[in-house]
Amino acid sequence: EAGVTQSPTHLIKTRGQQATLRCSPISGHTSVYWYQQALGLGLQFLLWYDEGEERNRGNFPPRFSGRQFPNYSSELNVNALELEDSALYLCASSLSATNEKLFFGSGTQLSVL
Amino acid sequence: GDSVTQMEGPVTLSEEAFLTINCTYTATGYPSLFWYVQYPGEGLQLLLKATKADDKGSNKGFEATYRKETTSFHLEKGSVQVSDSAVYFCALPDSWGKLQFGAGTQVVVTP
Repeated sequence: EAGVTQSPTHLIKTRGQQATLRCSPISGHTSVYWYQQALGLGLQFLLWYDEGEERNRGNFPPRFSGRQFPNYSSELNVNALELEDSALYLCASSLSATNEKLFFGSGTQLSVL
Repeated sequence: GDSVTQMEGPVTLSEEAFLTINCTYTATGYPSLFWYVQYPGEGLQLLLKATKADDKGSNKGFEATYRKETTSFHLEKGSVQVSDSAVYFCALPDSWGKLQFGAGTQVVVTP
């Protein structure tokens, strides 16, 4: 069974551009979470989607947005990129909104130059 | 709100040494507690969990006991290997049900 897959693995953008990151959850999982892991820092919660709806949002500006598609895959968009957005973006999925066990992808390393 | 605090790293050990990573939690109830591990270049993976007080989670030689009296969930391993070099995260669900992670503790095991 395939795990959580994220694409692309690496993404290089310049300041002011937009970035789109994609995540496919494990088959049958309805909840998708996005976390930002900046160098030397822990995981900062970004967004949580379940059954196509946004359930919770972390303390990030509105230029961080996303959505979940009918097949439960998800997209994270970051507009007007800033240098400090450079980080590893991790996606995780869980079987349902009430299931606490998360399965993580390997992440997208976003570099903003 | 509910949160976890874990010891800062890096923790540097020799192979076969004993490892302890401290984690304490603040919670209004008795949530499940988790340890996740992140190997270099990878995402996080669940290492072990405990769902109630006095429960002991164990996996791959690692153990952690849910201690209500000391609000702790310390991770231990009796004899570490180089392959245990990783970042370890303590976590618990917040009031929304999503996992809140500690800052992570980097462990470096040298031959």
